[in-house]
Amino acid sequence: SAVISQKPSRDICQRGTSLTIQCQVDSQVTMMFWYRQQPGQSLTLIATANQGSEATYESGFVIDKFPISRPNLTFSTLTVSNLSPEDSSIYLCSVVVTGTGELFFGEGSRLTVL
Amino acid sequence: KQEVTQIPAALSVPEGENLVLNCSFTDSAIYNLQWFRQDPGKGLTSLLLIQSSQREQTSGRLNASLDKSSGRSTLYIAASQPGDSATYLCAVRSGGSNYKLTFGKGTLLTVNP
Repeated sequence: SAVISQKPSRDICQRGTSLTIQCQVDSQVTMMFWYRQQPGQSLTLIATANQGSEATYESGFVIDKFPISRPNLTFSTLTVSNLSPEDSSIYLCSVVVTGTGELFFGEGSRLTVL
Repeated sequence: KQEVTQIPAALSVPEGENLVLNCSFTDSAIYNLQWFRQDPGKGLTSLLLIQSSQREQTSGRLNASLDKSSGRSTLYIAASQPGDSATYLCAVRSGGSNYKLTFGKGTLLTVNP
């Protein structure tokens, strides 16, 4: 398994600002992912955070809006830029255990945009 | 495109009852299927992972089955407890090296004392 810590756990931000979410894993992992869960909805994959290279974004998500860093095998950040109320969601970091393919999630970061 | 459906959307049962949550998926070419639990406002806790070659997995009071050919999985919870109250999510990883999961919308379970 993997223990994943996310910061902040929740935040309230003003429209037009940005929020950076941190994800720390207790062991080195190859694959890290960022998901979004909008109110009342299920999870949608934003991007795969690649160590040492640019993130791979899913359809509908762009780097300018969701820049991602992955400086090493245990840490990643997701920034949500130019915030609007539609960005109010829970953002979750996820890692995969390569042996079994099982995915583990952090506790999530709840963002509210006013 | 893989689509995952969970039925029912919500379920309320008295404590002690055995229950079944259902998950169906449209593309049977899956790599594995994973069941998660989510408490309100929290992240996801992995409950069970079933590889495509397996028929079922058990952990304590939980048993998950997989029928890949019919595109179905069930999560059986025995002797339910109020602490089991949460949203249960089913997620499918389609075949290939991509680790992307497709999630259902979940079943909100309430176990009443």
